[in-house]
Amino acid sequence: EIVLTQSPGTLSLSPGERATLSCRASQTVISSYLAWYQQKPGQAPRLLIYGASSRATGIPDRFSGSGSETDFTLTISRLEPEDFAVYYCQQYGSLPKTFGQGTKVEIK
Amino acid sequence: EVQLVESGGGLVQPGGSLRLSCAVSGFTFSIRSSYWMSWVRQAPGKGLEWVANTKQDGFEKYYVDSVKGRFTISSDNAKNLLYLQMNSLRVEDTAVYYCAREGGYEGSADYWGQGTLVTVSS
Repeated sequence: EIVLTQSPGTLSLSPGERATLSCRASQTVISSYLAWYQQKPGQAPRLLIYGASSRATGIPDRFSGSGSETDFTLTISRLEPEDFAVYYCQQYGSLPKTFGQGTKVEIK
Repeated sequence: EVQLVESGGGLVQPGGSLRLSCAVSGFTFSIRSSYWMSWVRQAPGKGLEWVANTKQDGFEKYYVDSVKGRFTISSDNAKNLLYLQMNSLRVEDTAVYYCAREGGYEGSADYWGQGTLVTVSS
């Protein structure tokens, strides 16, 4: 099983600032099959990024993903008020598909 | 518009059983579909855990180790329904259970239901 470790656990930032979230895998993620999801309280997760760097339909271009093999990054270039949420990475190249423990982006 | 609506959650005693359903609409739900369907759960205040998935032809099904032999994923393509039969439930199975569609973007989950809460407690 591939273990995903996200850092930091919590990121305290102000609107307009840049957010950089990290996701590290215990072994190589096949074909960069790495996704990022956003989850707000009481809501289901929403797919932001798939294939490490491709944005899902309707996702603003302030969200970008990068990385390969074992190290991946989600960057939010300028935080909007609606971006404060919990973010999860997921690898879907190997079974079982696994998630990181999440990074909470909170308002400073 | 793709919609997934879960139902069937509730309070059950340890060792009991429960069947969750997920009503699917807005895309082709058949054995010829290229989509997979999955269940993902989230314990209260915790992160996400992928539980199981199935190809819509029903021939391929995969589970996380912690539920193997206890949970069964299945689908009724004629009724556009996905199921999760949960037996021998444990306190640690307490969670919100989401159904999700996989395959719109490789194997990631592009559509999710709103979730149904399962509480295992005596």
